[in-house]
Amino acid sequence: QSALTQPASVSGSPGQSITISCTGTSSDVGGYNYVSWYQQHPGKAPKLMIYDVSNRPSGVSNRFSGSKSGNTASLTISGLQAEDEADYYCSSYTSSSSWVFGGGTKLTVL
Amino acid sequence: EVQLVESGGGLVQPGGSLRLSCAASGFTFSSYWMSWVRQAPGKGLEWVANIKQDGSEKYYVDSVKGRFTISRDNAKNSLYLQMNSLRAEDTAVYYCARDFLKYSYSPWGQGTLVTVSS
Repeated sequence: QSALTQPASVSGSPGQSITISCTGTSSDVGGYNYVSWYQQHPGKAPKLMIYDVSNRPSGVSNRFSGSKSGNTASLTISGLQAEDEADYYCSSYTSSSSWVFGGGTKLTVL
Repeated sequence: EVQLVESGGGLVQPGGSLRLSCAASGFTFSSYWMSWVRQAPGKGLEWVANIKQDGSEKYYVDSVKGRFTISRDNAKNSLYLQMNSLRAEDTAVYYCARDFLKYSYSPWGQGTLVTVSS
């Protein structure tokens, strides 16, 4: 199972919006509405930000939103804040009854 | 408070074995699928294995099949990962994570570092 494809890095200024893409195949992203997004600050454990493509767990800011079109899912962060600077990983359930993660995207808040 | 605490990591020689543990508290452990996810130094996340509530179903990433075994003890609220025939490429921080609505993971433990080196 190959890793999902994410851009290595994205950046934005405070207050702006950014979007991180996550491209897979019809056997994972495109085949199921089970895409999740995780935020990871340096030296910390990942934190779930979006589940089932577009749902936010309780306590996650509504500045975070998710969507999917075909084999590509996206995470959008609006109103960028300094504390959003972190690594972001997408994940998808697969046809092999397994999970696959993306390579990760480093978000820099300028 | 839901808490997951991993232990058992350390330095092991190639070909050696290690058993990781994850102690769960703050929730009904026996009601959740549980997983192990790893992260090599400076690299991304990789799902390793998961196990059903009663232990009757287990799934593994291809790279660890036949070498790693996931198990659980619901009476002890504990998750385990027995790792045999370890390779340098197994070097990583290993996280245990609780299933979140079946297809996501939350929360995660703080991780335990496994280093495979001679």
